[in-house]
Amino acid sequence: QKEVEQNSGPLSVPEGAIASLNCTYSDRGSQSFFWYRQYSGKSPELIMSIYSNGDKEDGRFTAQLNKASQYVSLLIRDSQPSDSATYLCAPGFSGGYNKLIFGAGTRLAVHP
Amino acid sequence: EPEVTQTPSHQVTQMGQEVILRCVPISNHLYFYWYRQILGQKVEFLVSFYNNEISEKSEIFDDQFSVERPDGSNFTLKIRSTKLEDSAMYFCASIITGTGAFQETQYFGPGTRLLVL
Repeated sequence: QKEVEQNSGPLSVPEGAIASLNCTYSDRGSQSFFWYRQYSGKSPELIMSIYSNGDKEDGRFTAQLNKASQYVSLLIRDSQPSDSATYLCAPGFSGGYNKLIFGAGTRLAVHP
Repeated sequence: EPEVTQTPSHQVTQMGQEVILRCVPISNHLYFYWYRQILGQKVEFLVSFYNNEISEKSEIFDDQFSVERPDGSNFTLKIRSTKLEDSAMYFCASIITGTGAFQETQYFGPGTRLLVL
């Protein structure tokens, strides 16, 4: 059984701070990793994808991947109240037809 | 920007009734997926579909479920005899090719909220 573990939160940070979201996964064959943001009652929306070890930056978001440790993280700099949502980690499942296995998500609350 | 669309946005049905959830994937996409999310729980994979046939399905996708691409644009999920536990948000997703060394981004539709009474 492929597992994806995330701290459910809520992670509460003040506006302007850095939010750090973590994820561990069990499928050593995973090569592709996605972070989705989900607002309550809405569908997942892609924030970042990362395929290689190291950091990948896109605006205020930085994804970090360590395949040896089976760990992927998402940093959100200068957090805004509009970033308040649930963040879903989704490693690509190595054995399937590109299906995603989602973690339960970390709820982020950014307070003014 | 092209997007995945789903209809209806909400559906209320009686237990035992059949429901059909509809999706229009992005036009040049070739792989299609259904996921569901029970309230307060994680997003779960149901089925993937390629070249007019199921390529993979989860344990959740039992004989009560079926998928179809009836006309080259719509992609449907049918639940033959709904149960109370089928109440959930159902998301359709699609990707362009499904080939290559790395997985492509899946684009999700807005979802259909199904309530079984």
